[in-house]
Amino acid sequence: KNEVEQSPQNLTAQEGEFITINCSYSVGISALHWLQQHPGGGIVSLFMLSSGKKKHGRLIATINIQEKHSSLHITASHPRDSAVYICAVIEGGSEKLVFGKGTKLTVNP
Amino acid sequence: NAGVTQTPKFQVLKTGQSMTLQCAQDMNHNSMYWYRQDPGMGLRLIYYSASEGTTDKGEVPNGYNVSRLNKREFSLRLESAAPSQTSVYFCASSESGQPIYNEQFFGPGTRLTVL
Repeated sequence: KNEVEQSPQNLTAQEGEFITINCSYSVGISALHWLQQHPGGGIVSLFMLSSGKKKHGRLIATINIQEKHSSLHITASHPRDSAVYICAVIEGGSEKLVFGKGTKLTVNP
Repeated sequence: NAGVTQTPKFQVLKTGQSMTLQCAQDMNHNSMYWYRQDPGMGLRLIYYSASEGTTDKGEVPNGYNVSRLNKREFSLRLESAAPSQTSVYFCASSESGQPIYNEQFFGPGTRLTVL
């Protein structure tokens, strides 16, 4: 079974800071997803990636397949970025997502 | 488009009672999923349906049944609720059964408490 570990579990930042959330997994994967869960509970997909780097606005996701590691970066963080960020992986040959426990981010004004 | 809708939003059951959680999507997606989310744990897949008429077990299927009624609707049934089934339940859908290519769209969740 693929284990997905996220760090840190909790992160508090001041508005404007650069944020990094890490995700490590134990076995080979075909793709990795980053999701955001809002304080109200809603979950949205941010990125899907299988190699390299993707950027959307102030969010950047990178993945290193050899090192079994991915990072989610937020530049110029804002209080509205406060949420739980969840990493999920798809093992090679599977259609199912395996989720990490999430990183709770709080950005203070 | 409403996206993925779930009913009810909240439910309290007594041990042994049964209920069905409803999920519908209006995006013409082929695949639908039921997850549960518990404190301190990641989302876990209960059942999924890769296409209309097919269902498969996920990581934690015991105590649940599902029905893919048509392409739009995917229901989750608890036949005899247990306190261990207290959780937040999320339904999701994606265009195909290959999440690598298709993002999953999540419903707002159902918060279920079993006393």
